[in-house]
Amino acid sequence: AQKVTQAQTEISVVEKEDVTLDCVYETRDTTYYLFWYKQPPSGELVFLIRRNSFDEQNEISGRYSWNFQKSTSSFNFTITASQVVDSAVYFCALSEFPGPNAGKSTFGDGTTLTVKP
Amino acid sequence: DTAVSQTPKYLVTQMGNDKSIKCEQNLGHDTMYWYKQDSKKFLKIMFSYNNKELIINETVPNRFSPKSPDKAHLNLHINSLELGDSAVYFCASSQEVGLHEQFFGPGTRLTVL
Repeated sequence: AQKVTQAQTEISVVEKEDVTLDCVYETRDTTYYLFWYKQPPSGELVFLIRRNSFDEQNEISGRYSWNFQKSTSSFNFTITASQVVDSAVYFCALSEFPGPNAGKSTFGDGTTLTVKP
Repeated sequence: DTAVSQTPKYLVTQMGNDKSIKCEQNLGHDTMYWYKQDSKKFLKIMFSYNNKELIINETVPNRFSPKSPDKAHLNLHINSLELGDSAVYFCASSQEVGLHEQFFGPGTRLTVL
């Protein structure tokens, strides 16, 4: 069975601080995909990044960076120099492919990030 | 142009009623989904459809019946609504099953009184 754990329920930081959101996953498949989504207070869900299980390269996009480590089954997300607009619920998700669970994305419980001015 | 649209945005109804939520995507995607997000923001998949065929049904009560008339549409009908059905329901689509990111609709906030 696939499982995604986001142990941090809520994080509060002051603007310009760096913050890391943790994501640990469980899967028996060797082929899988990991995602991060953002849900701002307005409620929509926005895709941030996708990573497949064969690509352990870290990625940086502006102030956002992602660290994927298969050895620890983790896919952590760091925001550098946080801003108030980063305040949102962030979800980590896992999708297995192929197999009987293809098409079933498992989401973590989300981490609520509050960035204070 | 809205990529994934849902109607209605808000739905307030009495217990025991039957209601439907409609979803349409104009992205040309093969796969569509329904998710339920509860008051604690937990997001759970309910159904996945690929090319109009049901591929995932996550132990959802049979009061919930999805229907996909074509690849661009996935509707959700709910019979005999219960208080516990109150939630935000999100429709989503992706290019292929499992491989690609999902694009979400704006959500439908269902309140059962």
